[in-house]
Amino acid sequence: GQNIDQPTEMTATEGAIVQINCTYQTSGFNGLFWYQQHAGEAPTFLSYNVLDGLEEKGRFSSFLSRSKGYSYLLLKELQMKDSASYLCAVRDPGGSYIPTFGRGTSLIVHP
Amino acid sequence: DSGVTQTPKHLITATGQRVTLRCSPRSGDLSVYWYQQSLDQGLQFLIQYYNGEERAKGNILERFSAQQFPDLHSELNLSSLELGDSALYFCASSAGLAGGRGDTQYFGPGTRLTVL
Repeated sequence: GQNIDQPTEMTATEGAIVQINCTYQTSGFNGLFWYQQHAGEAPTFLSYNVLDGLEEKGRFSSFLSRSKGYSYLLLKELQMKDSASYLCAVRDPGGSYIPTFGRGTSLIVHP
Repeated sequence: DSGVTQTPKHLITATGQRVTLRCSPRSGDLSVYWYQQSLDQGLQFLIQYYNGEERAKGNILERFSAQQFPDLHSELNLSSLELGDSALYFCASSAGLAGGRGDTQYFGPGTRLTVL
């Protein structure tokens, strides 16, 4: 089976930096995804990590440590529109390569 | 816009009824996935089709079924509906099925199902 843990909720200030952590326990590993989901809308793809290290894409960066079963999503220069749920998903070859999603972290950005 | 389309956007129906949700994948994508999202359960995988064939099953109830047609669009059929089936139903598509960055899932806008 798979177990993915994320904090339920985080708050941050506009313009600041926030780090959303994700830990996972899976029998196999074939990539970790981060998605952003605004309330009532579709999840939108943010990043994909399969090798250890940091992937940077504009204001968003994602880090992976496979040995620790750990990832984080770093959001810089926070904007009000970044208020959303952030979903961590892990793909396991033993699970037919279907990503399993965490419950998501609800990020609230305030002025 | 992910390129994945879903209809209808909203659906309100009564217990015991049957509904069909429709999904068209992104151009060129062969895999279609169905997910259910409710407030207390998060995003739950239901079923995957690849090029017309069922490839993986998740937590899909026997009252639910799906298929993928030759033009690659997919339909999710929900029957004998119960109050607890009220949720957002998302369709996602990806290029293939064997892992890799190219198999990133892109989600449609979802269908909000309300069972009264």
